[in-house]
Amino acid sequence: AQKVTQAQTEISVVEKEDVTLDCVYETRDTTYYLFWYKQPPSGELVFLIRRNSFDEQNEISGRYSWNFQKSTSSFNFTITASQVVDSAVYFCALSNDYKLSFGAGTTVTVRA
Amino acid sequence: GAVVSQHPSWVICKSGTSVKIECRSLDFQATTMFWYRQFPKQSLMLMATSNEGSKATYEQGVEKDKFLINHASLTLSTLTVTSAHPEDSSFYICSARENRRMYSNQPQHFGDGTRLSIL
Repeated sequence: AQKVTQAQTEISVVEKEDVTLDCVYETRDTTYYLFWYKQPPSGELVFLIRRNSFDEQNEISGRYSWNFQKSTSSFNFTITASQVVDSAVYFCALSNDYKLSFGAGTTVTVRA
Repeated sequence: GAVVSQHPSWVICKSGTSVKIECRSLDFQATTMFWYRQFPKQSLMLMATSNEGSKATYEQGVEKDKFLINHASLTLSTLTVTSAHPEDSSFYICSARENRRMYSNQPQHFGDGTRLSIL
């Protein structure tokens, strides 16, 4: 069985603040993949990143960065210098064959 | 690249109506497509895995006769909500994975979703 926990239900920040979204996962498999998706108010899901279980290097893409720590089964996501357009629901997801298991999502609200 | 088109984006219909939702991969082939359901302020729950040329695989608790899935080609899967009732109102979203080697864990590309409202 696999499980993804996003303990933060909602986060509200003021523009330009940094925000970190936590994701903790459970799986018995040694090979697995972790994802982050963004769901803006319009509803579509936007793929942000995929990381396999053998690659623990942190990644930075513009204002987005991800910290993968296998020792704590965490794959956290940080938005630096947040903007109003970052307001959305962010989902962390886990796949160990081909099915995705999503976390409950974290709603991020960035106030101007 | 990797665009998934889902149609219609919004449906309002009377109770008892059957509603068909289409999911198309526009620029790639997809042996496998996935159908999810999302209630307001909740996560996405996988309903079924749609396999081209064979029967869909349904998740536990999902009624096969209520949610009919057909995957007739490598670029099209359809979900038909039969005899829909108000409790079927939800956001339905499909995804498709590029047709590479099995279990390659290519990222799933999502359609924009269909908001279904049954009156």
